[in-house]
Amino acid sequence: DTAVSQTPKYLVTQMGNDKSIKCEQNLGHDTMYWYKQDSKKFLKIMFSYNNKELIINETVPNRFSPKSPDKAHLNLHINSLELGDSAVYFCASSQDVTSVLQETQYFGPGTRLLVL
Amino acid sequence: EDKVVQSPLSLVVHEGDTVTLNCSYEVTNFRSLLWYKQEKKAPTFLFMLTSSGIEKKSGRLSSILDKKELFSILNITATQTGDSAVYLCAVKMASQGNLIFGKGTKLSVKP
Repeated sequence: DTAVSQTPKYLVTQMGNDKSIKCEQNLGHDTMYWYKQDSKKFLKIMFSYNNKELIINETVPNRFSPKSPDKAHLNLHINSLELGDSAVYFCASSQDVTSVLQETQYFGPGTRLLVL
Repeated sequence: EDKVVQSPLSLVVHEGDTVTLNCSYEVTNFRSLLWYKQEKKAPTFLFMLTSSGIEKKSGRLSSILDKKELFSILNITATQTGDSAVYLCAVKMASQGNLIFGKGTKLSVKP
């Protein structure tokens, strides 16, 4: 069974379009994250949700809006896509930010977004 | 500014060699340091280190943390071509849940 899954795996779209990426985890974790990995393979946090509440929102354009309908899902909606949004977006989850022994983050397979 | 620095950025070795990958960090309220291996897809978890001087070992891979000098190393002995990947070091702070990643070390193991 897939622990953290993302859809779609690949997304090619035109500038100006609006798109969504979905993430689901079946690990029973409390916290979910979105990371962006650029062309140089640098992974950087975008958002973090704990039990459906936003706890981290890094300096990300407000064209990016995360939505967590329940604690097993964290979707990422992007409005007015720009060329610079092209990257691989990874979803991750972890058990509980207050318990160091359970904090390992597990990553989804990534969504490769290409904006033309 | 909190940061994680890995070195070298890339490394080419031959099968059977031993490699040491370095990770140094400067963060406020350090909580844990994690190593991940990334091949073509998602980073996969290797180790989590929270205490200085305690080596974690898994097969040919091992890692240790020095909280006084603020660094960690990842050792791979008797490397194999399947070890070729980008190895990512990340630090978690006590104040927030996300990981701060280094830029990774790209390891290429030649037959």
